[in-house]
Amino acid sequence: QSALTQPPSASGSPGQSVTISCTGTSSDVDDYKFVSWYQQHPGKAPKVIIYELNKRPSGVPDRFSGSRSDNRPSLTVSGLQAEDEADYYCSSYTDSNRFIIFGGGTRLTVL
Amino acid sequence: EVQLLESGGGVVQPGGSLRLSCAASGFTFSNYAMGWVRQAPGKGLEWVSVISAYYDNTNYADSVKGRFTISRDSSKSTLFLQMNNLRAEDTAVYFCAKRDVSGWPRGYFDVWGQGTMVTVSS
Repeated sequence: QSALTQPPSASGSPGQSVTISCTGTSSDVDDYKFVSWYQQHPGKAPKVIIYELNKRPSGVPDRFSGSRSDNRPSLTVSGLQAEDEADYYCSSYTDSNRFIIFGGGTRLTVL
Repeated sequence: EVQLLESGGGVVQPGGSLRLSCAASGFTFSNYAMGWVRQAPGKGLEWVSVISAYYDNTNYADSVKGRFTISRDSSKSTLFLQMNNLRAEDTAVYFCAKRDVSGWPRGYFDVWGQGTMVTVSS
């Protein structure tokens, strides 16, 4: 089963920006157009913060943005705040077998 | 308010069975694909299964194919996951989640339940 690779950890100080990348290992991920990002605080359910690579659901602060850099989807958190400390997961799918796939997750620490 | 409420988790011996339920409210359940995602203790998210809104098309992760069955009862706005021949590696919190569209794989999970714990242990 194909997977998405994320760095296990990232960190930044309050007010700084942090970028988390997501790399597909399968060539049949559909050009990353449908990558979504989820935020999960400890003991809580995941929450979508970015969908279709760069769209934000209503209610998600514009400090969160999605993009593609070096042909890899990325999540950028600008103006870091203490409450941004959480686990972040990218997600997409494999077109060949129509599996939904998640990255391994990145733990974001606000120093 | 859009809400998903899972139930049915618990402790089961290896080889046993459990049936998870997910009661949906606040949206037209029959119009959306639904899925299950699990998270083993201290680990990341793993997609388990998905079912379409119409025609009940389903798909499963390789790790559960042939052992788990997803189904839905739109008259009761409820999603199910029948889990048979459970293994220790199935131990996880199981989240019910709503897709933003009627099918898959495109789209994303826009609403999540709080999860129900399944422990497989002798």
